[in-house]
Amino acid sequence: QVQLVQSGAEVKKPGASVKVSCKVSGYTLTELSMHWVRQAPGKGLEWMGGFDPEDGETIYAQKFQGRVTMTEDTSTDTAYMELSSLRSEDTAVYYCATLQLVRGWFDPWGQGTLVTVSS
Amino acid sequence: QSVLTQPPSASGTPGQRVTISCSGSSSNIGSNTVNWYQQLPGTAPKLLIYSNNQRPSGVPDRFSGSKSGTSASLAISGLQSEDEADYYCAAWDDSLNAPEFGGGTKLTVL
Repeated sequence: QVQLVQSGAEVKKPGASVKVSCKVSGYTLTELSMHWVRQAPGKGLEWMGGFDPEDGETIYAQKFQGRVTMTEDTSTDTAYMELSSLRSEDTAVYYCATLQLVRGWFDPWGQGTLVTVSS
Repeated sequence: QSVLTQPPSASGTPGQRVTISCSGSSSNIGSNTVNWYQQLPGTAPKLLIYSNNQRPSGVPDRFSGSKSGTSASLAISGLQSEDEADYYCAAWDDSLNAPEFGGGTKLTVL
């Protein structure tokens, strides 16, 4: 059974970058399609991007193009999401989640990482 | 603004049956399967229904999903206090080449 454990909460200043990690256990990262979803306080879920198994490439939501980078370290089965040029609107809980099949469903999810952007 | 439209709130009393709707278009619900997620207060979302009407192992059969055309619904029968949560529908959107979530529905058990 896949388990996803994320890194701890972060506080960043506007303009800085943040890198959130997601450690996989139960499977190897190469067997999974990892994606990232965020949720601003009191708001809904917003997909940021992830690995497209059809193309074998990482795809990003247009909103985050140029500002987000998703990488994987297969030696440690850890996925990373780095978001740069942070602004207050980026304050949110960031989740990693595994996409099942092609254009399927997200299951399971990590526990979430709160990123607070404040001067 | 979400591509998939859900009512912001729903409510029911214990034992009742409630339904939550999710309206989309031909590029998302109309051509792809719908999934539902339950988010209990302060926790990560959890898969509730996948492929329109399939329940993952461990999800009670009180929860059911359906899809017709460009709309989908989540039904909860025998409502329980522990069902109080936010519910999100989701479907891949072919035009955006991205998964889209509904805005979420907050279910209150009165």
